Amino acid sequence: AQSVTQPDIHITVSEGASLELRCNYSYGATPYLFWYVQSPGQGLQLLLKYFSGDTLVQGIKGFEAEFKRSQSSFNLRKPSVHWSDAAEYFCAVGAPTGNQFYFGTGTSLTVIP
Amino acid sequence: DVKVTQSSRYLVKRTGEKVFLECVQDMDHENMFWYRQDPGLGLRLIYFLYDVKMKEKGDIPEGYSVSREKKERFSLILESASTNQTSMYLCATGLAGADTQYFGPGTRLTVL
Repeated sequence: AQSVTQPDIHITVSEGASLELRCNYSYGATPYLFWYVQSPGQGLQLLLKYFSGDTLVQGIKGFEAEFKRSQSSFNLRKPSVHWSDAAEYFCAVGAPTGNQFYFGTGTSLTVIP
Repeated sequence: DVKVTQSSRYLVKRTGEKVFLECVQDMDHENMFWYRQDPGLGLRLIYFLYDVKMKEKGDIPEGYSVSREKKERFSLILESASTNQTSMYLCATGLAGADTQYFGPGTRLTVL
């Protein structure tokens, strides 16, 4: 069965520090991969997505993610975190053959001054 | 830009009431989705519609129904609201089941 795992429930980083949020998936073929961000009390906003091609994907707000097929991972990175990046981050997988969509359980990011 | 709106940001209802949550999209997307989000449980799919009218149950359809009278409007119906349906409800739209989903701002429903 397809699944998405975000191993870190909560992460705290200092403002200006680098960030990496982990995402692993289980799927037989290459899925579509997504990262979303949710600010408190808001809906989900798409940060970036990967369908095919270059495995390093650039997104909005200075985020990037790298697809590593051998590790079944799609980790989200940002070189320097800003206080406004504090939010909940969701990794998601679209399974083209089954026309399904799966979300991870999310990682909550706290940014300290 | 895709715009997805939800009829209310906050809603308070009483147990036993029939509740309608409405979602409107402006991108002519075939697929629309309703999720509920609860702390520690992530997003759980309630229902989705594809090809405009084809309805599929998600992970937690019990106590809910859906309606899509027009392509751009998708309603989630709580037939008889209960306190355990207090939650954040998120609507999303997309071109295909596996493709990008675009979310509305959410409705925080409290059932007393």
